[in-house]
Amino acid sequence: NAGVTQTPKFQVLKTGQSMTLQCAQDMNHEYMSWYRQDPGMGLRLIHYSVGAGITDQGEVPNGYNVSRSTTEDFPLRLLSAAPSQTSVYFCASSRRGEDSPLHFGNGTRLTVT
Amino acid sequence: KNQVEQSPQSLIILEGKNCTLQCNYTVSPFSNLRWYKQDTGRGPVSLTIMTFSENTKSNGRYTATLDADTKQSSLHITASQLSDSASYICVVSAGFKTIFGAGTRLFVKA
Repeated sequence: NAGVTQTPKFQVLKTGQSMTLQCAQDMNHEYMSWYRQDPGMGLRLIHYSVGAGITDQGEVPNGYNVSRSTTEDFPLRLLSAAPSQTSVYFCASSRRGEDSPLHFGNGTRLTVT
Repeated sequence: KNQVEQSPQSLIILEGKNCTLQCNYTVSPFSNLRWYKQDTGRGPVSLTIMTFSENTKSNGRYTATLDADTKQSSLHITASQLSDSASYICVVSAGFKTIFGAGTRLFVKA
């Protein structure tokens, strides 16, 4: 049981380039989300999805797009990378319900030069 | 404004010693509070969850407390081990919102 799998683990981009961070889960969770983690700050929600075909914006959505065509996959697209997007990105999933814990992937460390 | 503040920012203790991490929150309406452990280079993993009516919950050497009146929680680690070196993140759920603290970085030295 792999849980939440994120790829790649590391990525370096030049300003203006685009890329997609991949996230897949095998727990049949309805809820999936993307966070960024910056030094000295709590995790911040970028986008989330409560099921296939449904996505919504989180706290810091600008510069990012998502789609949810299947229950398993929730890719995050950077449209035109900026140095301010240098961060560690985490994907998480959970069952529905406030008491369900988030299951996180191991993150993608992105550097934009 | 919904906020979760953790203290201290970092902490160094000797192996075998106990320690307590603090979490203060101003989140409304309160649903639950979780503590997560995040090892270096890994994603956070849930340690405990506490709802409004719970005061104490244990998970092995980890004991979390919650005072809903003062909006404070603590995570007590007993007989620390080298593997406890990690960041500990307090997370408060308010309805459909989830607010993360910045974490406490714990270093356990031999």
